[in-house]
Amino acid sequence: EIVLTQSPGTLSLSPGERATLSCRASQSVTSSYLAWYQQKPGQAPRLLIYGASSRATGIPDRFSGSGSGTDFTLTISRLEPEDFAVYYCQQYGSSSITFGQGTRLEIK
Amino acid sequence: QVQLQESGPGLVKPSETLSLTCAVSGYSISSGYYWGWIRQPPGKGLEWIGNIHHSGSTYYNPSLKSRVTISVDTSKNQVSLKLTSVTAADTAVYYCARCGGRNSSFGPWGQGTLVTVSS
Repeated sequence: EIVLTQSPGTLSLSPGERATLSCRASQSVTSSYLAWYQQKPGQAPRLLIYGASSRATGIPDRFSGSGSGTDFTLTISRLEPEDFAVYYCQQYGSSSITFGQGTRLEIK
Repeated sequence: QVQLQESGPGLVKPSETLSLTCAVSGYSISSGYYWGWIRQPPGKGLEWIGNIHHSGSTYYNPSLKSRVTISVDTSKNQVSLKLTSVTAADTAVYYCARCGGRNSSFGPWGQGTLVTVSS
């Protein structure tokens, strides 16, 4: 199975700053079949990005995804207070879907 | 607007079978898409359990395949999960979600239901 490693484990930033989250795969992800999710405490994950760079319906344009092969990035251009949460990447390019372990984005 | 709602026992004894149902509203399962189950142990990350198509085709996580059965009831517009021989390691919040394809991203998600395995 493809193992996804997210870094950093925790990212401490202030509102208005730019956040860059990384997701590295143990092998190439077919056709950039990679998604990003946001999860707030006590809530279900919410799809942000699919296909590595396509924003899901209703997702603000401050969220953007990039990358291919084994290296993928989620960027939040200017952090809003509601953006502080845990973020997961997910690959669906292989027959067995896997998730990264998550990056916690906290207020500095 | 598609909505998903998980339900089932919140407490299951070790070695018994965990059974959950996901009721879908605002969309007919028969119209298409895949439907998946994902779980999250308390304080930990997400683990994919499996997906099902309205036709009944299923795809499971290899690590759980021997214990998992996912089924669909189009007349009730719901998807079900059974996990046999549970242990404490199966304690988690269980989510159902719509999946864009056999292998795809998930959205929307249900609110999740906590299942605790304990005697």
